[in-house]
Amino acid sequence: DTGVSQDPRHKITKRGQNVTFRCDPISEHNRLYWYRQTLGQGPEFLTYFQNEAQLEKSRLLSDRFSAERPKGSFSTLEIQRTEQGDSAMYLCASSSRDSMPEYTDTQYFGPGTRLTVL
Amino acid sequence: AQSVTQPDIHITVSEGASLELRCNYSYGATPYLFWYVQSPGQGLQLLLKYFSGDTLVQGIKGFEAEFKRSQSSFNLRKPSVHWRDAAEYFCAVGLNDMRFGAGTRLTVKP
Repeated sequence: DTGVSQDPRHKITKRGQNVTFRCDPISEHNRLYWYRQTLGQGPEFLTYFQNEAQLEKSRLLSDRFSAERPKGSFSTLEIQRTEQGDSAMYLCASSSRDSMPEYTDTQYFGPGTRLTVL
Repeated sequence: AQSVTQPDIHITVSEGASLELRCNYSYGATPYLFWYVQSPGQGLQLLLKYFSGDTLVQGIKGFEAEFKRSQSSFNLRKPSVHWRDAAEYFCAVGLNDMRFGAGTRLTVKP
């Protein structure tokens, strides 16, 4: 178990550029989540996938944000036409939906990608 | 709508002293509650979780939390704090779309 990995760890970009972040979940986990964390705040949920299906995307911050998980393994989060307000830590988490009647999902987080928009 | 409030932004305790971090939640049904810890440069690490059953939950690193439905609280405790416990602590509620509190930063004095 190598944990959740994210790439890159840091990204500096100029306003108006597009950026893409990658997340590799724990290998046996079928659910994958994206969060944003700004300074002094807790993580804010953006979207999540079960396998390749995106089950919730209404909380994506704007139509500039999109996420994919084409083969149900790794996922990418893209931000188009970045703005200075997009500067934040972007966190990925994964979990395994247990088949037991009682929910036992627990999200395990990656180290995050810190985005700075100049 | 589900939400979490952590009333204390910053807490300072002496090493060896006891610790209690407060968490109040708002949730329409039986809540799924979590405490995570985040150290500088580290990812969020799960300390403990409550889904159902015994309201006193034991976690890693000597932490425990008690679910009190009547008070809508899920406070985190540790009987004796170590300097390594200095970090940011987050309470969260929900499952698929977890809501996090703003966090409590813990400073440990020698």
